[in-house]
Amino acid sequence: QSVLTQPPSASATPGQGVSIPCSGSTSNIRSNTVNWFQQFPGTAPKLLIYSNDQRPSGVPDRFSGSKSGTSASLAVSGLQSEDEADYYCAAWDDSLNGWVFGGGTKLTVL
Amino acid sequence: QVQLQQSGPGLVKPSQTLSLTCAISGDSVSSNSVTWNWIRQSPSRGLEWLGRTYYRSKWNIAYAVSVKSRITINPDTSKNQFSLQLNSMTPEDTAVYYCVRGGLGSLDYWGQGTLVTVSS
Repeated sequence: QSVLTQPPSASATPGQGVSIPCSGSTSNIRSNTVNWFQQFPGTAPKLLIYSNDQRPSGVPDRFSGSKSGTSASLAVSGLQSEDEADYYCAAWDDSLNGWVFGGGTKLTVL
Repeated sequence: QVQLQQSGPGLVKPSQTLSLTCAISGDSVSSNSVTWNWIRQSPSRGLEWLGRTYYRSKWNIAYAVSVKSRITINPDTSKNQFSLQLNSMTPEDTAVYYCVRGGLGSLDYWGQGTLVTVSS
């Protein structure tokens, strides 16, 4: 059981947009910034969004993040087939004194 | 460009100790602005943070409660690397283990991952 809650799956057609929610609590998302990761099978997670809404260099601006209270979300616009992957949210938890993660959302591009 | 290169065995027998090393290039294990973390991933437990070490005038180490009694993370300044030891391994510890740099509020660089299987 992951500390952060994500839907197990999401899907959309090429060119459409999709939003992936991440629900947490006061000790993690409300108190600290949120990271989002993209993971392809057999590879390590890759940082997609940090500090709630910042993109590392090289990440397309089709990916955006937001946070409100104890929830965050990752939005992907103009979906492409190569966006089909697993997406994870993460945040530092002040009560557990460690990083906590969502269970991951498998994004399918139909 | 920061790179993390992991090394260590992929198969560990039950009750034995797992030892993994993470060699750092493009940064220093002694940097006072980042942390050095171990994270594992399995189908049953998902992504799980295990612990970290970092330098802020002195060395600091913190562990997840779930593994606190049997984990050791050590920095090695002479080789610019850090290590993970996990004792009393069981099949439940079977997972892909990652070393990860912690930047400012982020987990920004990940090692390639090591699939560790606990089996006799």
